[in-house]
Amino acid sequence: EVQLVESGGGLVQPGRSLKLSCAASGFTFSNYYMAWVRQAPTKGLEWVAYISTGGGSTYYRDSVKGRFTISRDNAKSTLYLQMDSLRSEDTATYYCTTEREGIHSTWGQGVMVTVSS
Amino acid sequence: DTVLTQSPALAVSPGERVTISCRASESVSTGMHWYQQKPGQQPKLLIYGASNLESGVPARFSGSGSGTDFTLTIDPVEADDTATYFCQQSWNDPNTFGAGTKLELK
Repeated sequence: EVQLVESGGGLVQPGRSLKLSCAASGFTFSNYYMAWVRQAPTKGLEWVAYISTGGGSTYYRDSVKGRFTISRDNAKSTLYLQMDSLRSEDTATYYCTTEREGIHSTWGQGVMVTVSS
Repeated sequence: DTVLTQSPALAVSPGERVTISCRASESVSTGMHWYQQKPGQQPKLLIYGASNLESGVPARFSGSGSGTDFTLTIDPVEADDTATYFCQQSWNDPNTFGAGTKLELK
């Protein structure tokens, strides 16, 4: 069974950091582009970042460039999102997804990040 | 960024046919995809490339359109289809999502 399980969320103060992880199983992780998509409370969906199969290419939405870093460990079948200088507007549920040609085909259950003092 | 506009909500009776629309602010060719999100769950891919049914998705779901106007059709609607449906385009950078259409059953 294809599965993505996120972890690492929680409550953090503005300006602080948090690192999310996504453990993949049931498929060949190294063959897939991966992405993070977020959803603010009662809001729509927003693509955050994605990474190529080997990790050599990464892409970010403008609002997180320079603050967030996406990475992967193919040996561990794990995706990461390092979030620095967090802002209140980063409060959301963060989903890990497989990504192919811009299509988010498999989603994890999500992890909540709350940025508040 | 490409803005995707969806109607906020629809209410239909089980057994009926429903169409959910998505209009793009500029052409996205056939780079349009549809997702279903049930309350408290993660989104699920239903349709990709405007009209291709994702594996495992019931044939009651179908998609059509190209350019700027797209529709997701459910025929017939079942009680389990209560959810919010999002469109998403991947033709223009950055990829963007619509605000979602909440489908309720009468």
